[in-house]
Amino acid sequence: ETGVTQTPRHLVMGMTNKKSLKCEQHLGHNAMYWYKQSAKKPLELMFVYSLEERVENNSVPSRFSPECPNSSHLFLHLHTLQPEDSALYLCASSEELEPTNTIYFGEGSWLTVV
Amino acid sequence: GQQVMQIPQYQHVQEGEDFTTYCNSSTTLSNIQWYKQRPGGHPVFLIQLVKSGEVKKQKRLTFQFGEAKKNSSLHITATQTTDVGTYFCAGYYSGAGSYQLTFGKGTKLSVIP
Repeated sequence: ETGVTQTPRHLVMGMTNKKSLKCEQHLGHNAMYWYKQSAKKPLELMFVYSLEERVENNSVPSRFSPECPNSSHLFLHLHTLQPEDSALYLCASSEELEPTNTIYFGEGSWLTVV
Repeated sequence: GQQVMQIPQYQHVQEGEDFTTYCNSSTTLSNIQWYKQRPGGHPVFLIQLVKSGEVKKQKRLTFQFGEAKKNSSLHITATQTTDVGTYFCAGYYSGAGSYQLTFGKGTKLSVIP
């Protein structure tokens, strides 16, 4: 139990589909993140939210659209994805947006785009 | 952009042997964190180093932060099969104006019983 819950754990979608990944943290943290993990690449930070406000967007294509309705929930809306977007998508949280804060990761959502 | 280089990419050891993974940055890091990801799992925080020359130990694991705060290492003494997984370092850059924790590519450790 990590305190950060992601659903679904596995998702297969076609390139024309629209789907969403959901993340919920039960740690009372104020910062939440989306990371992408693909084979042979370092963990890539996609989006950062602090107190529901997006503070960083690392040049992520617009086919990925984040949403943070409150400090406990984070969504990643997916639309017209490409096969190269297949990866493990990790949600994470930290107490605050501070460099010394520990990042707590969820178990991830395995996404396959066909 | 800033990069953290981590070597080796893979390491196979016999159970009982030692293991070391290294992280290097071309510029000074504010602090460095280490994470472990078991096969099929998610990254889990191990430790953070902040001070120049800092050394921290967790049982058989020893973590070091270089004097110049540009490199770090994780050493495991007498590996066990439970040590299997990928070890990542992740660093923050001072004054980068970014909230980004830059991850190395990780070292995947296999332990042969």
